[in-house]
Amino acid sequence: AQSVTQLGSHVSVSEGALVLLRCNYSSSVPPYLFWYVQYPNQGLQLLLKYTSAATLVKGINGFEAEFKKSETSFHLTKPSAHMSDAAEYFCAVSSGGTSYGKLTFGQGTILTVHP
Amino acid sequence: DAGVIQSPRHEVTEMGQEVTLRCKPISGHNSLFWYRQTMMRGLELLIYFNNNVPIDDSGMPEDRFSAKMPNASFSTLKIQPSEPRDSAVYFCASSRQGLSTDTQYFGPGTRLTVL
Repeated sequence: AQSVTQLGSHVSVSEGALVLLRCNYSSSVPPYLFWYVQYPNQGLQLLLKYTSAATLVKGINGFEAEFKKSETSFHLTKPSAHMSDAAEYFCAVSSGGTSYGKLTFGQGTILTVHP
Repeated sequence: DAGVIQSPRHEVTEMGQEVTLRCKPISGHNSLFWYRQTMMRGLELLIYFNNNVPIDDSGMPEDRFSAKMPNASFSTLKIQPSEPRDSAVYFCASSRQGLSTDTQYFGPGTRLTVL
């Protein structure tokens, strides 16, 4: 079984501040991890993914995430927040133990950016 | 390139009516997923197709829900009869092969309201 926990349903930062969105996973086999972003009234868009290559993954819009097996974490960061980063962010896990890429999503974190 | 296309974008219907949601995956993708998003339950996988064949329908809530994929470029999700608790945003997603490392590309969703 696999699961994802996103700590903090709401995160608020000032423009220019560090963004840190937390994600912890549980998986009985080596996981593949994804971060998606959802803007209002839109579908989900991939930010980045970890598929067992480099543990530090860089994505679009200046975001990056680091896979830490010892901490079972895959936190999303961005050095400097922009107003356009305001959205809901979802962490998801997919494991090679399943017969296909079944994604299990976290509950989401809403990011608010203040001017 | 066109992304995943869903129609309608919004649907308002009365309890007991039949509802049909439509999806056109990205050309060349052979895996298709239907998800439901609600505030209470988050993002849930309803059904997964590979090469037009339903592989995992364990997430389909009950017999009122059915999904088909008659060809590689079209899928439907039908609810009959609809109930107020079916109100949600329904997303269709596609991926190249359905592998655990594949990116899933999401459509814009259909917002369903059952009165």
